Amino acid sequence: NAGVMQNPRHLVRRRGQEARLRCSPMKGHSHVYWYRQLPEEGLKFMVYLQKENIIDESGMPKERFSAEFPKEGPSILRIQQVVRGDSAAYFCASSRGLLMQPYEQYFGPGTRLTVT
Amino acid sequence: QKEVEQNSGPLSVPEGAIASLNCTYSDRGSQSFFWYRQYSGKSPELIMSIYSNGDKEDGRFTAQLNKASQYVSLLIRDSQPSDSATYLCAVNMRGPGGGNKLTFGTGTQLKVEL
Repeated sequence: NAGVMQNPRHLVRRRGQEARLRCSPMKGHSHVYWYRQLPEEGLKFMVYLQKENIIDESGMPKERFSAEFPKEGPSILRIQQVVRGDSAAYFCASSRGLLMQPYEQYFGPGTRLTVT
Repeated sequence: QKEVEQNSGPLSVPEGAIASLNCTYSDRGSQSFFWYRQYSGKSPELIMSIYSNGDKEDGRFTAQLNKASQYVSLLIRDSQPSDSATYLCAVNMRGPGGGNKLTFGTGTQLKVEL
């Protein structure tokens, strides 16, 4: 399967715990994006990364959230000390480099985070 | 004013009819526009991209772009019940790092009735 991969698909955490969400981009893609979809709300951009670089984190909450895309391995979105308001679907998308059109982003299946 | 606006619907069309979905955007400098389909509980699926004014056709789908009016639309011909989903309009708005972030509308729910 050459598509975007995310794991876990479902994650349940108690308030105060940490959540780690993983994303492997589509084969041939070097750019990764994280989006969040709250219940009954639209998709919101969180962060854009290339290998070992955060390009745009303008949509990330200032506290408790961080993201990385190491040289080896998947991109990770980390949420520390989760609260009930973090319950949402978190989607990862990937694209080819910006110098190559089209700039199409393809989404993974998502991680559904539930905070109890 | 929202950055990307869509009517939430639901838009109901009979099977075999043409469904017309509309979207307006606020950033006049936007260059890339996309339509995604999202079934309930699933992830967004890219169905069309359009970059220049005019029409772009792919099978039963036609995307239309008018940058002067800041308007993009999606036509679905010969609508099928399997087309029933939420359709998301997305606009590429360059972020602070020159990045490729998408701003989404809240989606239009389409129902194709037998």
